[in-house]
Amino acid sequence: KQEVTQIPAALSVPEGENLVLNCSFTDSAIYNLQWFRQDPGKGLTSLLLIQSSQREQTSGRLNASLDKSSGRSTLYIAASQPGDSATYLCAVDNAGNMLTFGGGTRLMVKP
Amino acid sequence: GAGVSQSPSNKVTEKGKDVELRCDPISGHTALYWYRQSLGQGLEFLIYFQGNSAPDKSGLPSDRFSAERTGGSVSTLTIQRTQQEDSAVYLCASSLDRWGGGGYTFGSGTRLTVV
Repeated sequence: KQEVTQIPAALSVPEGENLVLNCSFTDSAIYNLQWFRQDPGKGLTSLLLIQSSQREQTSGRLNASLDKSSGRSTLYIAASQPGDSATYLCAVDNAGNMLTFGGGTRLMVKP
Repeated sequence: GAGVSQSPSNKVTEKGKDVELRCDPISGHTALYWYRQSLGQGLEFLIYFQGNSAPDKSGLPSDRFSAERTGGSVSTLTIQRTQQEDSAVYLCASSLDRWGGGGYTFGSGTRLTVV
């Protein structure tokens, strides 16, 4: 059974810092890995999708990497802003019919 | 539609009543998923549809929960005889195919409160 762990569970940083969120998974036979953002009381917004054959994806200030063999992914956020404050969720698709989510990292960026 | 649409956005119901939650996926997406997020908890997989069939119902928490999908599009999640522990945000997602082609797109969810 796939298990997904996200570290840290919570993170508070001053505005402008570069930061790294970590995601690890136990079963490396994945189809893809997706990073989401969730604002309080809201649904999930997709940030980046990495297919199993890819090593990384970039969108604006966000960069996500994937190392299947070691079961790890990182989400790098450059020059963080208060608007980046949210919960970031890592989700792995290895069954082709569902996502397994990590517990999330709750990020607070202070002005 | 442009995104995954869920209705209602909020639902308050009395314990013991039945509720129906609706999900309208992105047009052309053949796979549809229901998840549940309880307060302070992670996302819990409930059920998955490929077309109109549900090959995986393993996540439904009890026989009070059922779901259907008609015409390969709209899906309805029904909870009978609601209990307080059913209070949660119910999220629907769709993808191009069962292999998560193009990734998963989530709706804004239905916040269910059972009083």
